[in-house]
Amino acid sequence: DGGITQSPKYLFRKEGQNVTLSCEQNLNHDAMYWYRQDPGQGLRLIYYSQIVNDFQKGDIAEGYSVSREKKESFPLTVTSAQKNPTAFYLCASSNSRSPPTFFGPGTRLTVL
Amino acid sequence: GENVEQHPSTLSVQEGDSAVIKCTYSDSASNYFPWYKQELGKRPQLIIDIRSNVGEKKDQRIAVTLNKTAKHFSLHITETQPEDSAVYFCAASTVGGSQGNLIFGKGTKLSVKP
Repeated sequence: DGGITQSPKYLFRKEGQNVTLSCEQNLNHDAMYWYRQDPGQGLRLIYYSQIVNDFQKGDIAEGYSVSREKKESFPLTVTSAQKNPTAFYLCASSNSRSPPTFFGPGTRLTVL
Repeated sequence: GENVEQHPSTLSVQEGDSAVIKCTYSDSASNYFPWYKQELGKRPQLIIDIRSNVGEKKDQRIAVTLNKTAKHFSLHITETQPEDSAVYFCAASTVGGSQGNLIFGKGTKLSVKP
């Protein structure tokens, strides 16, 4: 199913709570990405990582954090500093220096 | 930075008709232009892409054209079918750069009526 998995599929967060979204890929891709999608909007880049132990901020990184300790994994933490986190979050991967080609199934985050 | 505009935001066609979605980009350094199809609640899926060294690419009922001078590219779907109904996103990127990022348009919701 595309080689990228995301969990959970649905996530509910209370005000002031940090939550972590999981993304795993078995495609041996070097690069991994996190996008946020809001209704009626395109995808916006949160963070990306070209290699293990390195990552860069995207266009809307405020209130988010990531780690890249393993090539296969790129978890995203939505912190309490993110003022409006309700959205659909998509993880993607690609060969190094290529645009993302495969997307995960997504996690829908809702703030209660 | 790059900015991608996509039109129209919604498009309704009769089954069998053609559909055309247009995008413009701002950064002349962009050299890779993919199109994604996203069904409701699902992940985006790459359906076709084009690089700046070609003007047109076809894959069965889908084609993409690129005009580098005018900085616009279009998706053409012929003989539309109800299963073509989805949101389509265009994007632009600079392949080979340090980022490999995609800048997306806001999407076009295509409805194909039987």
